[in-house]
Amino acid sequence: EDQVTQSPEALRLQEGESSSLNCSYTVSGLRGLFWYRQDPGKGPEFLFTLYSAGEEKEKERLKATLTKKESFLHITAPKPEDSATYLCAVQAGATNKLIFGTGTLLAVQP
Amino acid sequence: DADVTQTPRNRITKTGKRIMLECSQTKGHDRMYWYRQDPGLGLRLIYYSFDVKDINKGEISDGYSVSRQAQAKFSLSLESAIPNQTALYFCATSDTTGTGDYGYTFGSGTRLTVV
Repeated sequence: EDQVTQSPEALRLQEGESSSLNCSYTVSGLRGLFWYRQDPGKGPEFLFTLYSAGEEKEKERLKATLTKKESFLHITAPKPEDSATYLCAVQAGATNKLIFGTGTLLAVQP
Repeated sequence: DADVTQTPRNRITKTGKRIMLECSQTKGHDRMYWYRQDPGLGLRLIYYSFDVKDINKGEISDGYSVSRQAQAKFSLSLESAIPNQTALYFCATSDTTGTGDYGYTFGSGTRLTVV
């Protein structure tokens, strides 16, 4: 069964304190791995798509990486405005549906 | 205007009532999805539609029905609402490839409370 697990469930950082969020997955035939940001009461907002092991993408203070079993979202020198829930999702098989993890709630304190 | 619009934003309804959540999109995407989000359970797929004549059940379709009135409109109905359907509901769209380079585009959500 296709599965996506995110850790930690919650993370509290001081402003400027870099860290990483993990997304591990077990799927048959990965077609893509997606990272989203979700603010309270809002819909998920697309951040990155990764397609193959070794691929990396960056956007401002965020960098996503992918291996054959997991993906990391690295946050460098975070700011309070980076506080949000970060969701990971995988697309696998022939149906193109996304399977989501339960997310990591990130709080960055000034 | 938002690319994906959900109405209403918030709704409180009583057990046993029928309720419809509506979604419209201006992305021109063929594919539309309904998800519900519960604390600790993440986003779970209720129904999805690849075009107007193609509607499919997701992992948690019991108690729900959908209607794809046009390419741009996809509504979700709760025929007889029950308290455990209290959740945040999201509509999403994607292009024909499934996701392309941009993943799904989500609406802002409908917070439904069944009392």
